[in-house]
Amino acid sequence: KQEVTQIPAALSVPEGENLVLNCSFTDSAIYNLQWFRQDPGKGLTSLLLIQSSQREQTSGRLNASLDKSSGRSTLYIAASQPGDSATYLCAVRTNDYKLSFGAGTTVTVRA
Amino acid sequence: DVKVTQSSRYLVKRTGEKVFLECVQDMDHENMFWYRQDPGLGLRLIYFSYDVKMKEKGDIPEGYSVSREKKERFSLILESASTNQTSMYLCASKGANTEAFFGQGTRLTVV
Repeated sequence: KQEVTQIPAALSVPEGENLVLNCSFTDSAIYNLQWFRQDPGKGLTSLLLIQSSQREQTSGRLNASLDKSSGRSTLYIAASQPGDSATYLCAVRTNDYKLSFGAGTTVTVRA
Repeated sequence: DVKVTQSSRYLVKRTGEKVFLECVQDMDHENMFWYRQDPGLGLRLIYFSYDVKMKEKGDIPEGYSVSREKKERFSLILESASTNQTSMYLCASKGANTEAFFGQGTRLTVV
């Protein structure tokens, strides 16, 4: 069974600092990995999808890398802003359609 | 703009009631999912469907059933609601190798 771990569970940084969020998974036979953002009491918003054949994906201030062989992905958020405060979740898709989620990293960006 | 719409943001039901949670997507996706999210437990998969009238149990199907009569609609049914089913329920849809998109969530309280 795929196990997904996100460390740290919580992170607090001053505005302007770069954020580094980690995701690790136990089974490297994945189809893709997706990063989401969740605001309190809301649904999940998709940020980036990385296919298993890709090494990284970028969107604006966000960059996600994938090292499938070592079972790791990292989400970088450049020049953080208070509006980036949220919980960030990663999810991996294996061969049975399912997504396995990490518990998330809750980020606070202090103004 | 892609859309996954859940029928209610907030619901309050009584113990023993039959509860229907509805989810509709407009992206012609084959796969649809129901998760519940609880503090400290993360997202847990209840059921998913990979085609019309097809369904598979997730990790915590007990006390739930689902219906998918049309491709765009996936319903979650609580046969006899209990207080331990108080939770945030999240619906998602995805194509064969696309991003997963989530609805806004339904906060269900069973009293």
